[in-house]
Amino acid sequence: AQTVTQSQPEMSVQEAETVTLSCTYDTSESNYYLFWYKQPPSRQMILVIRQEAYKQQNATENRFSVNFQKAAKSFSLKISDSQLGDTAMYFCAFMRPFTRETSGSRLTFGEGTQLTVNP
Amino acid sequence: NAGVTQTPKFRILKIGQSMTLQCTQDMNHNYMYWYRQDPGMGLKLIYYSVGAGITDKGEVPNGYNVSRSTTEDFPLRLELAAPSQTSVYFCASSLRGSNTEAFFGQGTRLTVV
Repeated sequence: AQTVTQSQPEMSVQEAETVTLSCTYDTSESNYYLFWYKQPPSRQMILVIRQEAYKQQNATENRFSVNFQKAAKSFSLKISDSQLGDTAMYFCAFMRPFTRETSGSRLTFGEGTQLTVNP
Repeated sequence: NAGVTQTPKFRILKIGQSMTLQCTQDMNHNYMYWYRQDPGMGLKLIYYSVGAGITDKGEVPNGYNVSRSTTEDFPLRLELAAPSQTSVYFCASSLRGSNTEAFFGQGTRLTVV
């Protein structure tokens, strides 16, 4: 079974600064997908960034980037130039690909990191 | 764009009552999921479906049932509500269930008293 661990329950950062959220996972799969989701107080789950395990290049989406270390099974999220609107709970998630053996993909979440951006 | 729609948004149940959480998506997604989120915790998978007529258990299926008679709808049934089922429930869907994004509903806050 896959597990996802986020070791930082809470973090804070000053506006305009950079913050890194940690995520580690455990799997025996060689091909899989990793995601960071953001959940603001509205409860809506919003995809921030995704990474395919077979791609060595780290994904980047504007101010958000990841540091994907496959051997270490680590997938951290870096937020640059933090904004007040980045305040949210952030979830790391793992998905194994669909195969006949797995009969379906499951999206497994970590426990989340509450990020607060201070003015 | 409707996306994934969950109803109701809030509900209070008494112990032993039953209810169905509705979920519908208009994106023609094959995969649909039900998660629960307990306070301060991540999302745990209850059930999922890879297509109409096919459902499977997730991590925490006890106390719940699902059905998938159409591509669009994936209702979650609680037969005998218990206080341990107090949680926020999220329905989600995705196109292939692999590297594609999962779209989430707004969640249903359920309290069992």
